[in-house]
Amino acid sequence: EVQLVESGGGLIQPGGSLRLSCAASGFTVSSNYMSWVRQAPGKGLEWVSIIYSGGSTYYADSLKGRFTISRDNSKNTLYLQMNSLRAEDTAVYYCARADPTWGSYFDYWGQGTLVTVSS
Amino acid sequence: QSALTQPASVSGSPGQSITISCTGTSSDVGSYNLVSWYQQHPGKAPKLMIYEVSKWPSGVSNRFSGSKSGNTASLTISGLQAEDEADYYCCSYAGSSTLVFGGGTKLTVL
Repeated sequence: EVQLVESGGGLIQPGGSLRLSCAASGFTVSSNYMSWVRQAPGKGLEWVSIIYSGGSTYYADSLKGRFTISRDNSKNTLYLQMNSLRAEDTAVYYCARADPTWGSYFDYWGQGTLVTVSS
Repeated sequence: QSALTQPASVSGSPGQSITISCTGTSSDVGSYNLVSWYQQHPGKAPKLMIYEVSKWPSGVSNRFSGSKSGNTASLTISGLQAEDEADYYCCSYAGSSTLVFGGGTKLTVL
């Protein structure tokens, strides 16, 4: 059974850093396209980043330079390193498995982890 | 990467059909047959309902159907049921390995 479990969220002060994790089971992260999607409280979904099976990474324009997506093949885990956090980064962060052709849709999602950026 | 445009809300009675539109540009929806739709119940993760404009993932009811014309994609739900009440989001490939979501539509089953 495919399962994605996020962790690492919490309360962080503006300007701080946080690393989110997404532990996968039932499939191999490194053989798939994997993505992060976030949702601010009461708002819609926002695509954040994707990592291809070959290791290429891509980001939403508004986040470039502050967020880094990566994976640990030995742990079958996806990560999102978030730096210089701002209040507007407050959201539930979901990891999701993307389709292996274009990375254009997400067939499995985690339950999400809440990141709150506040002083 | 501007968000795709969806109506904020739609409603329908049980048994009826409703359609949710998703308008983008010639750089995203209009250029690729790579539009997907997600259903999200309160406090839950999104669920894939349609991918590549009109394809069904395994286990999704064929009461849900998708289409596209020009820069606008649509999700139609036929035979509305109470459990269809949820938020619905469209998503499109936008080129250069990026994606863009719609703002979401709240479906109310009257």
